[in-house]
Amino acid sequence: DVKVTQSSRYLVKRTGEKVFLECVQDMDHENMFWYRQDPGLGLRLIYFSYDVKMKEKGDIPEGYSVSREKKERFSLILESASTNQTSMYLCASSAGNSNQPQHFGDGTRLSIL
Amino acid sequence: QKEVEQNSGPLSVPEGAIASLNCTYSDRVSQSFFWYRQYSGKSPELIMSIYSNGDKEDGRFTAQLNKASQYVSLLIRDSQPSDSATYLCAVNHSGGYQKVTFGTGTKLQVIP
Repeated sequence: DVKVTQSSRYLVKRTGEKVFLECVQDMDHENMFWYRQDPGLGLRLIYFSYDVKMKEKGDIPEGYSVSREKKERFSLILESASTNQTSMYLCASSAGNSNQPQHFGDGTRLSIL
Repeated sequence: QKEVEQNSGPLSVPEGAIASLNCTYSDRVSQSFFWYRQYSGKSPELIMSIYSNGDKEDGRFTAQLNKASQYVSLLIRDSQPSDSATYLCAVNHSGGYQKVTFGTGTKLQVIP
């Protein structure tokens, strides 16, 4: 089974802090994704990566950056956290073939105070 | 126009009935279609993938795809209270890297 592990289930940070969310997958997947999910807005893609050291902006990249130094790890960085970044953050991975589904981690519920 | 549309619900069905969840998409050349189940407070869980026109069955679940009508559906037979969740439809865009658009989901309530 595919295993996508997110470092924290719940996280509370303060406005202005730099926040790191970590995601690790164990299936040697080429593609990795970061989403946020908010009530009524569904899943929105922040960034994705299709290879080590490669990254592509999603639909809502502002205020975020990412890092993929190793194939299995994809990090999301909130450069200066703001209250409107309070959300559920979901990491996903998929095999390189474009027909393959994405598999999600358990999510990190992030609160910015 | 949203790229992937679902009725938000809630869709209420009695236990043992068939639940029918529908999804339409706008990208005519989309090739891959997925259904995810998401329990409240949890992450999406893949339950079905479908790639060609017609029906695909897996246990109590049947996915139906009609590319000409740009329509994909999920049927849940013998619905159980444990099926109560939000069901997300996801569509893989044609070409380029794998980017999937998710619908906002249909909330299903199975009434005992």
